[in-house]
Amino acid sequence: AQSVSQHNHHVILSEAASLELGCNYSYGGTVNLFWYVQYPGQHLQLLLKYFSGDPLVKGIKGFEAEFIKSKFSFNLRKPSVQWSDTAEYFCAVNAGDSSYKLIFGSGTRLLVRP
Amino acid sequence: NAGVTQTPKFRVLKTGQSMTLLCAQDMNHEYMYWYRQDPGMGLRLIHYSVGEGTTAKGEVPDGYNVSRLKKQNFLLGLESAAPSQTSVYFCASSYYWGQVGSNQPQHFGDGTRLSIL
Repeated sequence: AQSVSQHNHHVILSEAASLELGCNYSYGGTVNLFWYVQYPGQHLQLLLKYFSGDPLVKGIKGFEAEFIKSKFSFNLRKPSVQWSDTAEYFCAVNAGDSSYKLIFGSGTRLLVRP
Repeated sequence: NAGVTQTPKFRVLKTGQSMTLLCAQDMNHEYMYWYRQDPGMGLRLIHYSVGEGTTAKGEVPDGYNVSRLKKQNFLLGLESAAPSQTSVYFCASSYYWGQVGSNQPQHFGDGTRLSIL
């Protein structure tokens, strides 16, 4: 069965620190990859997506992610976080043989201290 | 353009009661989905629909039913509510681009917080 692992459940950073959140998936075929963000009390919003092409994907608010096929990874990065980045981040995978479904990771809660 | 609208936003039920959650989207999306979000478990797919009049089971369908009588609406029903169904429920929709695997990304509603006592 397909699965998505986010190994960092809680991350605490100070403003201006660099961020990297890990995401690994288990599926051997073609995948579409996503990062969603959920700010406190709000719904999920798309941060960035990878369908094909350049494995380094840039999203909104200065976030980027790199797809490394050999490692089945899609880690999220930001060089300098802000207090407003405090949120929960979800990695999600849409696999080729279940095109209608997104499989979500368990999420990473990020707290940025001012 | 409201996007995806869920009603109600909050609800408290007693065990055994039934209720229906409504999801409406105004983006003319083909696909619609119901998820539940529980602490430490991310989002899990309950049911989904690939078009008007069609529904299919997701990862955790037991205890829920759905209907898609109109393209813009997707209803989630709890037949006999149980405390284990206390959760936050999210509806989402997505466009169909005409290729397998390309029905993303999904657009989410604001959620319904449901408590079963």
